[in-house]
Amino acid sequence: DQQVKQNSPSLSVQEGRISILNCDYTNSMFDYFLWYKKYPAEGPTFLISISSIKDKNEDGRFTVFLNKSAKHLSLHIVPSQPGDSAVYFCAASAALSGWGKLQFGAGTQVVVTP
Amino acid sequence: DGGITQSPKYLFRKEGQNVTLSCEQNLNHDAMYWYRQDPGQGLRLIYYSQIVNDFQKGDIAEGYSVSREKKESFPLTVTSAQKNPTAFYLCASSLIQGSNQPQHFGDGTRLSIL
Repeated sequence: DQQVKQNSPSLSVQEGRISILNCDYTNSMFDYFLWYKKYPAEGPTFLISISSIKDKNEDGRFTVFLNKSAKHLSLHIVPSQPGDSAVYFCAASAALSGWGKLQFGAGTQVVVTP
Repeated sequence: DGGITQSPKYLFRKEGQNVTLSCEQNLNHDAMYWYRQDPGQGLRLIYYSQIVNDFQKGDIAEGYSVSREKKESFPLTVTSAQKNPTAFYLCASSLIQGSNQPQHFGDGTRLSIL
């Protein structure tokens, strides 16, 4: 039973434009959400996170939006750069189910074209 | 440089053989985790540990064992009971003080069956 879903396996975007990655979750107890970026044959790198008490968090080119009523979050990358080509994972955890127990989505492959 | 070191990068297992994957961190993180990634899927939690000499099963612990004798080290043994061990294994660590600490990952070990 997958509690975190990334329904778009891939996304192609032109350099300089906005990349929007989406993530849906089913567990209403999730209260902490993260985005990771992963290159082939490497471990995921933490990008940005958001707590359920917020609806937006920004860090440079990366912004995460959280819509709790829709159980949906999104990652915006503006402007997209060639180095952003990677797989992006959404993850979530619930304090009540135990610290550190992250549930991951299946990932979205982003390709930034010139 | 602080970080998480996983070794070896590639590992081959014969039928009926146990193999051990190494994970060492010098970030002074309290918690450590093991995940498994299969093609087209997200990361799934195998085991995690909050403190030395204590660890908990994750979502897919069957066929695996761990130990936490030192804060810096969290080796994972893939036993012969794990019938489908071919996967990419990722180790992570995090602080646990306060709330909502992101996990940081090593570069992974790819395990294959001979």
